Amino acid sequence: DAMVIQNPRYQVTQFGKPVTLSCSQTLNHNVMYWYQQKSSQAPKLLFHYYDKDFNNEADTPDNFQSRRPNTSFCFLDIRSPGLGDAAMYLCATSRDLPTGGDEQFFGPGTRLTVL
Amino acid sequence: AQSVTQLGSHVSVSEGALVLLRCNYSSSVPPYLFWYVQYPNQGLQLLLKYTSAATLVKGINGFEAEFKKSETSFHLTKPSAHMSDAAEYFCAVSGYTGFQKLVFGTGTRLLVSP
Repeated sequence: DAMVIQNPRYQVTQFGKPVTLSCSQTLNHNVMYWYQQKSSQAPKLLFHYYDKDFNNEADTPDNFQSRRPNTSFCFLDIRSPGLGDAAMYLCATSRDLPTGGDEQFFGPGTRLTVL
Repeated sequence: AQSVTQLGSHVSVSEGALVLLRCNYSSSVPPYLFWYVQYPNQGLQLLLKYTSAATLVKGINGFEAEFKKSETSFHLTKPSAHMSDAAEYFCAVSGYTGFQKLVFGTGTRLLVSP
């Protein structure tokens, strides 16, 4: 089945230790998104890629970076995780820019714990 | 700017009872509207979406939603709740022109009791 895969499902890191979260997709979608979701809150968009074009949300901290080496893979790098970065990180894809009601397909998420 | 408001952070129903989750949107033109469901420690799954083709939208798992422009609402309903419906439900909106990100509501947790 075509899907969005996130690895690992659970990640534990130490305060200040860089961490990378991975997302891959078999849907061949142009757009990939990274969301941060804290407990009992709505997902918050961090950034998205349209093909290789990177688009950062204005309020995304510099501590968060992303890479998309090819259509299928996208990575979220947190350079120096703080306690406030503990959250569920969701990857999503869509066929094209959502100008026409394109739905987003979400992965199962990676839950990040910062000790 | 577009936004959605979900009334009630928690809704409790008994198994077999009607489910009603409320969502009101704010937009200068009729937007695209979505309902997503999230089970514990999972990603979001699309239940249904409104794209102006029909005001009554049927989705998966027996859910449906009705777009009411006069009330700026897009409430989610299901005639008979199942235990498996217990989850977090998010209403979301996006616009028509340019890149329009999904704007999510704050979510409603549905609790289903036997």
